[in-house]
Amino acid sequence: DAGVIQSPRHEVTEMGQEVTLRCKPISGHNSLFWYRQTMMRGLELLIYFNNNVPIDDSGMPEDRFSAKMPNASFSTLKIQPSEPRDSAVYFCASSFQRDTQNQETQYFGPGTRLLVL
Amino acid sequence: AQSVSQHNHHVILSEAASLELGCNYSYGGTVNLFWYVQYPGQHLQLLLKYFSGDPLVKGIKGFEAEFIKSKFSFNLRKPSVQWSDTAEYFCAVNAVQGNDYKLSFGAGTTVTVRA
Repeated sequence: DAGVIQSPRHEVTEMGQEVTLRCKPISGHNSLFWYRQTMMRGLELLIYFNNNVPIDDSGMPEDRFSAKMPNASFSTLKIQPSEPRDSAVYFCASSFQRDTQNQETQYFGPGTRLLVL
Repeated sequence: AQSVSQHNHHVILSEAASLELGCNYSYGGTVNLFWYVQYPGQHLQLLLKYFSGDPLVKGIKGFEAEFIKSKFSFNLRKPSVQWSDTAEYFCAVNAVQGNDYKLSFGAGTTVTVRA
């Protein structure tokens, strides 16, 4: 299995530009998570989807952030407009949720290192 | 919501020394427990996990962890570390309740192993 795939691996952009991060979860997984990692705040869960439906987006910082999962094999995290404080590593993770009492292990992608100048 | 505490922010030790990293969580119900490792510049990789059964869990690369329910702890151990164990280690907890599938992470412990 190829694991969780994220693109791009690195992104450098200027303040005010739109940034789109992409994620392909592990085939067969039905839960997908977006995390942000910074030195100051550590790992933060931004949003998670189950069966392509957003379940909890309470971690999304503000309206500039949006995430979609149009199908089981693809998700995007968009920042518009981007700001320097959005600079971080963004990880996507996926897992298989068997039922309400069985959430399997989350597997992480390689991350996207975002730098907003 | 559950919280996760990792006692040590930075641990420095020599090769062949033993390592123990503390992790405590605050949720009183059923939990799934994880330790992840993040090598410099890389993504999080699963070291080991506990869902149920034997509270002593063995993971990859010689790591093990013990779940002590009465202490709400899931400490990570390795009897003899190597230089290649230099990394950041994250404890994570998933409270098994209803539809809550959030994985709460500790702040991480940076481990530096000196050759």
